[in-house]
Amino acid sequence: GAVVSQHPSWVICKSGTSVKIECRSLDFQATTMFWYRQFPKQSLMLMATSNEGSKATYEQGVEKDKFLINHASLTLSTLTVTSAHPEDSSFYICSATLAGGTFYEQYFGPGTRLTVT
Amino acid sequence: QKEVEQDPGPLSVPEGAIVSLNCTYSNSAFQYFMWYRQYSRKGPELLMYTYSSGNKEDGRFTAQVDKSSKYISLFIRDSQPSDSATYLCAMDDSGYQLIWGAGTKLIIKP
Repeated sequence: GAVVSQHPSWVICKSGTSVKIECRSLDFQATTMFWYRQFPKQSLMLMATSNEGSKATYEQGVEKDKFLINHASLTLSTLTVTSAHPEDSSFYICSATLAGGTFYEQYFGPGTRLTVT
Repeated sequence: QKEVEQDPGPLSVPEGAIVSLNCTYSNSAFQYFMWYRQYSRKGPELLMYTYSSGNKEDGRFTAQVDKSSKYISLFIRDSQPSDSATYLCAMDDSGYQLIWGAGTKLIIKP
């Protein structure tokens, strides 16, 4: 149980275009979802926290107009990277917590590798 | 100085060895301490969590927290090739955001 999927698993796009990444909780309802970036040999960096039906809370330094997050239902959150640039190339991972669960028991998706050319 | 320090490795040990993975931290307010395991091209999965100080055991895994030294450890007994992965520590003080270590890549040689 507690499976999280992400789509796509990898994507290559041209500079200036937008890319949407989906995060779905397949067998549970997720009241809270988290979006992270992960660089090689570096820590997971929290980008934003989203709650179903509410605006996402972005971490300091994360441009909310560039990284649009929508948490439209209890099983789906999307991250849209707008006007992508090569420096946005990274591994993006989402996670979710169970409704009524603890914040530290996060269930992660397999990640999306974004390459911007 | 980073809030959480973790040696990225890689740490290579023979099958059957006892593995010790460690993190140090600077924020004495941290109360929750977690270990996640991440296989290549996969998202992390929670292995164990500990609240405050002490030890916690789960099968071949033991998590240890020493708050006086600001040091946490994960021990793996009878290590198996399937334990080869990156192990990330994470911790929190306020129940809002996890602070992550960089992860240690572990390789178990058959």
